[in-house]
Amino acid sequence: EPEVTQTPSHQVTQMGQEVILRCVPISNHLYFYWYRQILGQKVEFLVSFYNNEISEKSEIFDDQFSVERPDGSNFTLKIRSTKLEDSAMYFCASMLSSGGAGELFFGEGSRLTVL
Amino acid sequence: QKEVEQDPGPLSVPEGAIVSLNCTYSNSAFQYFMWYRQYSRKGPELLMYTYSSGNKEDGRFTAQVDKSSKYISLFIRDSQPSDSATYLCAMIDTGGFKTIFGAGTRLFVKA
Repeated sequence: EPEVTQTPSHQVTQMGQEVILRCVPISNHLYFYWYRQILGQKVEFLVSFYNNEISEKSEIFDDQFSVERPDGSNFTLKIRSTKLEDSAMYFCASMLSSGGAGELFFGEGSRLTVL
Repeated sequence: QKEVEQDPGPLSVPEGAIVSLNCTYSNSAFQYFMWYRQYSRKGPELLMYTYSSGNKEDGRFTAQVDKSSKYISLFIRDSQPSDSATYLCAMIDTGGFKTIFGAGTRLFVKA
């Protein structure tokens, strides 16, 4: 069964360092997302990406965040200068089509720990 | 007022019990309503999907949507220990680009 894969599963970094989280969405899906879940809290929308551009972003997704789909298969989330409060589980998700026709398929998540 | 409100629980029930989970929401533009299940340290996975008001049944699971009250429910019949997980309600508006999640309710089913 096709699945969304994410790497790394866990990354520990020092505050102020740059981090890149990688995702391989399901191959025929068109919409890509990053969500964040701080330990014990809700799953929060960060950004959606369609047709090689951001379609929507939340207020969490400020200038220190960026997304890229560099090669038609990978989908990356970059955090330029990590803060302690960026520590969370980051989930990549993909969807075949938008709106109600779409089920989000999530990866297993990348746990980011900022020290 | 939060867009989606969900009691985080935890909710603990004996095996075989009927479980009722629910969410309320404030955005009348929400048209698509889902329930996702999340096991510990895993990504959420879709459990039930409903468009607009009404009921939908799938095995032991029934999803209900009441748009007039802005209230959605998930019922689990004959609950099993394997149902122990966090249940997230989720909604998409007519624009359709993002899914908004509730806080999730942690459910424990005791054998």
